[in-house]
Amino acid sequence: AQTVTQSQPEMSVQEAETVTLSCTYDTSENNYYLFWYKQPPSRQMILVIRQEAYKQQNATENRFSVNFQKAAKSFSLKISDSQLGDTAMYFCAFMKGRVSGGYNKLIFGAGTRLAVHP
Amino acid sequence: ETGVTQSPTHLIKTRGQQVTLRCSSQSGHNTVSWYQQALGQGPQFIFQYYREEENGRGNFPPRFSGLQFPNYSSELNVNALELDDSALYLCASSSASEGLGEQYFGPGTRLTVT
Repeated sequence: AQTVTQSQPEMSVQEAETVTLSCTYDTSENNYYLFWYKQPPSRQMILVIRQEAYKQQNATENRFSVNFQKAAKSFSLKISDSQLGDTAMYFCAFMKGRVSGGYNKLIFGAGTRLAVHP
Repeated sequence: ETGVTQSPTHLIKTRGQQVTLRCSSQSGHNTVSWYQQALGQGPQFIFQYYREEENGRGNFPPRFSGLQFPNYSSELNVNALELDDSALYLCASSSASEGLGEQYFGPGTRLTVT
C-alpha cells in the first residue's frame, strides 16, 4: 500500500521570502504521479503543481517548484517570493499511473499549514 | 476556481438519519471521485464513478453509496449516520482519457452529525 508523509504540521514564512514544504512517500510502483494541492480557508482544494515519476526534470509553475528525488521517495515544494495569499493548508498527494479501465485515487498526506506573515 | 460545484454547502443531520450530497463535474470530465476529510486531516478516498458505475472503493462501509448520472454529475448517499461521519465531503472530477487523470475539486459540503 502507498503512504504519504508530511512531517511538518505547521510552517511560517515572511512575505517575499522562500519556504520549502517536505513530503515523502512509500510505494513499490514505478509509474505514478505526485501532486501538491493547496486548501485555503475557503476550503476549495486547488491543484498547485504535478510531477510525473518518469520525468527527471523537476516541475515548475511560476513561483512554485518541486524537488523530486525518486530514489529517496521525496517530493518537496518550494514557494518563492511568498505572498499573503499563499496562506493555506498544503497537501502532498500520490496517484498510481493510469491503467485502462482502472480507477485512480489520490492518497493524501496529513497536510502542512503554512502561514505567510507581512 | 474549478468548474466543479457541490450542494449543499453545509448540512446538519441527526445520528441515524440519511443524507444525500450532490456534485456537478467540470465540463468534459467523465469521472467523479468522492473524498471524506475529517477535521485536521487529509482527504480519504471513498469511491470513484466512471460511466455510471462504481469503479473503485476505499475503506468505507456499504452505508456509503453513490450514483453517477448520464451528464456525469454524481450523488453521495450516507445511511444510518454516525457521529464520526461529521466531515468535509469533497468531490473531484477528472477525465479518464486526458492528461494525467489529475483531479479537480469542488468546494465541499460540510456535514455535521449531532
